[in-house]
Amino acid sequence: DGGITQSPKYLFRKEGQNVTLSCEQNLNHDAMYWYRQDPGQGLRLIYYSQIVNDFQKGDIAEGYSVSREKKESFPLTVTSAQKNPTAFYLCASRGLDLGGLIYNEQFFGPGTRLTVL
Amino acid sequence: KQEVTQIPAALSVPEGENLVLNCSFTDSAIYNLQWFRQDPGKGLTSLLLIQSSQREQTSGRLNASLDKSSGRSTLYIAASQPGDSATYLCAVKSPETGNQFYFGTGTSLTVIP
Repeated sequence: DGGITQSPKYLFRKEGQNVTLSCEQNLNHDAMYWYRQDPGQGLRLIYYSQIVNDFQKGDIAEGYSVSREKKESFPLTVTSAQKNPTAFYLCASRGLDLGGLIYNEQFFGPGTRLTVL
Repeated sequence: KQEVTQIPAALSVPEGENLVLNCSFTDSAIYNLQWFRQDPGKGLTSLLLIQSSQREQTSGRLNASLDKSSGRSTLYIAASQPGDSATYLCAVKSPETGNQFYFGTGTSLTVIP
């Protein structure tokens, strides 16, 4: 089955600790995205990547870091610098057409719920 | 910056009723608009994608329309069922935002049996 997997489903972090959320896709998509979702708010973009070894900051990148060493993987690290990390984190991917213009739809993983203890 | 609004925030309807969900955006120069469904505690499921050159898209009981000039999209759900209960979100991508999608806050739909 093609799709996007995220792990773990639930994650608990102590104060001052870094944690890494996993996102893997087997859709052969070039673009991958990380979003944060808080109650009553829409999804907000943290980071995105269009190709391997390249990524750009979204609207709320402070306190987060990413890497894109493989096309199918886009892990997100929530660092201790992120003051309010408790949220639902969603990973998404999308294909790119040959012209580099992005018309294809986004597909989402099941999410990781992070709670700070 | 593109702003996306979904009104109402919540909606309850009796089973079998037809209903319309609304999505408004401030910048009419968009590449596309996508409608999603989200069940509690789950990821987003893509429902329909409308390209900027299209006026509507249909999938089963769902029909999405796009009016770029007025900055609006509607999602029409025919003959609603309890299984349609979920939060519905729209997202737009425009040249101004580069490769980013901007999401509305969603409409929480409850279909009462």
